[in-house]
Amino acid sequence: ETGVTQTPRHLVMGMTNKKSLKCEQHLGHNAMYWYKQSAKKPLELMFVYNFKEQTENNSVPSRFSPECPNSSHLFLHLHTLQPEDSALYLCASSQPTGEVEQYFGPGTRLTVT
Amino acid sequence: AQSVTQLDSQVPVFEEAPVELRCNYSSSVSVYLFWYVQYPNQGLQLLLKYLSGSTLVKGINGFEAEFNKSQTSFHLRKPSVHISDTAEYFCAVTRRNTGFQKLVFGTGTRLLVSP
Repeated sequence: ETGVTQTPRHLVMGMTNKKSLKCEQHLGHNAMYWYKQSAKKPLELMFVYNFKEQTENNSVPSRFSPECPNSSHLFLHLHTLQPEDSALYLCASSQPTGEVEQYFGPGTRLTVT
Repeated sequence: AQSVTQLDSQVPVFEEAPVELRCNYSSSVSVYLFWYVQYPNQGLQLLLKYLSGSTLVKGINGFEAEFNKSQTSFHLRKPSVHISDTAEYFCAVTRRNTGFQKLVFGTGTRLLVSP
């Protein structure tokens, strides 16, 4: 596989469930990002990891818990979500310096019922 | 802090016609600018970027954009669109020389190309 992959592509969960989103990048990058994309709103940066260390938490509620075990993998653990958390969750990666563009995965479409 | 305004939420155009998607940004420091495209059920793909140098930037799929510092704009253009260009287009900005790229996105412009 090449680029940035995300699984699952679609997820429906109840408000009491616990689930995880997975992101994997095959580009040799050392920075990884989680974004939330909601209808009619700009993409919102949620978390940033550089060399496995979290460097940005954009005031995200604690019901979202990121994990970065290595530079190639990024997880977003979800628990007790709200219906307004329904959105497309996008993962991206980049080099931490120099090359500036971010490469995005296809996203996970999350629906909270 | 930086911000981005995409003035048009939707732009309808006929195939083979020219198109311009507008983007204005606000920043008190020097920035990098980007245009991304998102096709249905896909992630974002980089179209082009402005880092420095020539203010006219050429990207993939025949798109180009011009950086205008005095007007704080970075409008995207294509001289002749195809049906396959139908997608959502996002303008993004980040300040120069940050340790990582904290992109700030606009709300997007949906380009609708009809025959």
